[in-house]
Amino acid sequence: DAKTTQPPSMDCAEGRAANLPCNHSTISGNEYVYWYRQIHSQGPQYIIHGLKNNETNEMASLIITEDRKSSTLILPHATLRDTAVYYCIPSGSARQLTFGSGTQLTVLP
Amino acid sequence: DAGITQSPRHKVTETGTPVTLRCHQTENHRYMYWYRQDPGHGLRLIHYSYGVKDTDKGEVSDGYSVSRSKTEDFLLTLESATSSQTSVYFCAISAGHDSGNTIYFGEGSWLTVV
Repeated sequence: DAKTTQPPSMDCAEGRAANLPCNHSTISGNEYVYWYRQIHSQGPQYIIHGLKNNETNEMASLIITEDRKSSTLILPHATLRDTAVYYCIPSGSARQLTFGSGTQLTVLP
Repeated sequence: DAGITQSPRHKVTETGTPVTLRCHQTENHRYMYWYRQDPGHGLRLIHYSYGVKDTDKGEVSDGYSVSRSKTEDFLLTLESATSSQTSVYFCAISAGHDSGNTIYFGEGSWLTVV
């Protein structure tokens, strides 16, 4: 399984963009990069995933480097409700879905 | 809302008693999973199912059994609960098993074994 490195914590001002980095230098060619978040006492929430190309949905944008060794999740206009732990997960299948320590994002008013 | 309902959401039980957690989905997804989440260990797969009556073990299956008699329901049973099984249990579903198939999680079942 690919190993990931994420900063343990980040702060972001409300209304500003939150950029969450993730290093996954050992990712395999067929592994997608998934991002989930978990708000305290809730289940993990799917945000976005991608293989090679950058992706955007209603929640966020995902930027994957050309060599696929790192990615950045962008929340374009962070709100207080975006305060959560964010997990970057390279995954080949649900049996190998490994949640590491993640990044605690705190959105400040 | 991923169409997943877990029950009960909270339960306190005594050591040695049987406990069954239920996961119900409305998405008609083929794959269903049970995970547990503990501080310092992240999410760990207990059992999963790839169809009615088709199940397999995950990373931490000892002490747990599962059953899936209908597409929409996946039951997790602790035959004789122990204090080490105090945890938060998450059910998840996906349309497929391979990478690229998004996994959606339920809201969790908090189990305390005293």
